[in-house]
Amino acid sequence: GENVEQHPSTLSVQEGDSAVIKCTYSDSASNYFPWYKQELGKGPQLIIDIRSNVGEKKDQRIAVTLNKTAKHFSLHITETQPEDSAVYFCAASKGGDYKLSFGAGTTVTVRA
Amino acid sequence: DAGVIQSPRHEVTEMGQEVTLRCKPISGHNSLFWYRQTMMRGLELLIYFNNNVPIDDSGMPEDRFSAKMPNASFSTLKIQPSEPRDSAVYFCASRENTGAFGYTFGSGTRLTVV
Repeated sequence: GENVEQHPSTLSVQEGDSAVIKCTYSDSASNYFPWYKQELGKGPQLIIDIRSNVGEKKDQRIAVTLNKTAKHFSLHITETQPEDSAVYFCAASKGGDYKLSFGAGTTVTVRA
Repeated sequence: DAGVIQSPRHEVTEMGQEVTLRCKPISGHNSLFWYRQTMMRGLELLIYFNNNVPIDDSGMPEDRFSAKMPNASFSTLKIQPSEPRDSAVYFCASRENTGAFGYTFGSGTRLTVV
């Protein structure tokens, strides 16, 4: 099955700096790559996703890039703010009826 | 849209007791997933249903765990008998199978078995 690895496991950044989280996947048939943000005491929430026919997608301060050849994708958060502190999960699937495979998560702390 | 609704939000029970967790998926979503989250093991998929039919229950840890989806708007996860190592946050998520592939998670049930 699909195996998703996520790095780093923890990330501490100064407010205003950028944060980058990287994930790799094993199944070349995977074509859907969402990112989830989980705040304390809440369920994971979808923040951005990308399909394999797109190399980059941006939504305000967050962006995701995908390199299908290398089988890796990344989340970029620019101009970080304290409310960006959370656990972030990457995931991959072949879409449709297939289940998502999640990475282990990255705890992001934004220092004021 | 009220999102995915889970109940109860918190459950404290004694070892050996039966525990039932409940989930109402988003109307129109075809798939439903039960996850368990702990510090040690992260997010673990326990079981998922497609159109009310269990598709993959390979993540269910033991026979003490069972899940049902009697109709498109309701699912239960039952643990009987419960043990302290079952203490975790249990999440339910639902998804459309066409178009958007992302899951919508509920707020979770924090289970403590003492």
